[in-house]
Amino acid sequence: AQKVTQAQTEISVVEKEDVTLDCVYETRDTTYYLFWYKQPPSGELVFLIRRNSFDEQNEISGRYSWNFQKSTSSFNFTITASQVVDSAVYFCALSSFQGAQKLVFGQGTRLTINP
Amino acid sequence: DAGITQSPRHKVTETGTPVTLRCHQTENHRYMYWYRQDPGHGLRLIHYSYGVKDTDKGEVSDGYSVSRSKTEDFLLTLESATSSQTSVYFCASGPYNQPQHFGDGTRLSIL
Repeated sequence: AQKVTQAQTEISVVEKEDVTLDCVYETRDTTYYLFWYKQPPSGELVFLIRRNSFDEQNEISGRYSWNFQKSTSSFNFTITASQVVDSAVYFCALSSFQGAQKLVFGQGTRLTINP
Repeated sequence: DAGITQSPRHKVTETGTPVTLRCHQTENHRYMYWYRQDPGHGLRLIHYSYGVKDTDKGEVSDGYSVSRSKTEDFLLTLESATSSQTSVYFCASGPYNQPQHFGDGTRLSIL
């Protein structure tokens, strides 16, 4: 069975601080996908990134970066120089590599950026 | 963003009544999904579809049925709603081997 754990239920930081959201996963698949989604206060789900299991290169997109470590089954998300607009619930998710991408989500981390 | 529309956006109904939620996408995506979001659980997959008339169960399918008679429409039905089905329901769609994108959600309250 697949499982995703986001141990941090809530995080609160002051604007401009760096913050890392942790994600640990379990799967028996040898190939799989990992995802991050953002859910702002308005409620919609916004796709941020998908990584496949055979590409462990870290990825950076502006102030966002992702650290994938297969050895520790982790896919952590860092926001550098956080802004109030980054306040949201962030979900990490996992899917099989083939066929329908049936997402298994973590419980989510509520991130609050205070001015 | 993918054109995914969910209807209704909000619904309040009584225990024991049938409820149907509709998901409509304009992207000709092969795959469509229904999830529910509850506090402490993240999102959980209810049912999904991999083509017209091709559907399968997800993690929390008990009490739900689905139908997909056209590529663009994926219906979720609660045959006899219960209070435990009060939730926010999200539909998603995606092409083969590409990330799925979500609709804006339906808030369903069952009294």
